[in-house]
Amino acid sequence: GIQVEQSPPDLILQEGANSTLRCNFSDSVNNLQWFHQNPWGQLINLFYIPSGTKQNGRLSATTVATERYSLLYISSSQTTDSGVYFCAVNYGQNFVFGPGTRLSVLP
Amino acid sequence: NAGVTQTPKFQVLKTGQSMTLQCAQDMNHEYMSWYRQDPGMGLRLIHYSVGAGITDQGEVPNGYNVSRSTTEDFPLRLLSAAPSQTSVYFCASSSRGTQYFGPGTRLLVL
Repeated sequence: GIQVEQSPPDLILQEGANSTLRCNFSDSVNNLQWFHQNPWGQLINLFYIPSGTKQNGRLSATTVATERYSLLYISSSQTTDSGVYFCAVNYGQNFVFGPGTRLSVLP
Repeated sequence: NAGVTQTPKFQVLKTGQSMTLQCAQDMNHEYMSWYRQDPGMGLRLIHYSVGAGITDQGEVPNGYNVSRSTTEDFPLRLLSAAPSQTSVYFCASSSRGTQYFGPGTRLLVL
């Protein structure tokens, strides 16, 4: 089956810093999503991004499907950005999640 | 729209007991799925359904049954709970590849 990897596994930032999270996948996929799981466990859609670049406020994402990776950029980080960021790929009929990047933003 | 709802929020079971986790969506999505999330890990797919009457296994289906009699509902059944099934369970529905998750059910099997 497909392998989905995320890096880094953990990231600690000072409020106001920028960061880049990476998602690599081992096979062609139908689409890719980024999620934020907040400290209360809720999963929140960030981007549906099978290819190209999208931006939503301080967050943006880029997927290069031909090279099998996606990047999530967080600019001017805030403490509310803390949590775990997952990428998930749609592979056939299945959705496969990466292991996540745990982000801690310090005040 | 309520989106994706799950009940109960919390449940404690004894080994060997059975229970059903409920999931409902009001977005008329054809695709629905169940995941489990264990501490420090990502989500793993248990079962999924591409429409009423159609279900299939995901990555970790053993110990779980599902059925899909309507578009709205997709219950997950544990026939004989085991401690290894202690986890947080998420239900999701999907449209055009975008998944929407319920709030989760936290299950403890003693």
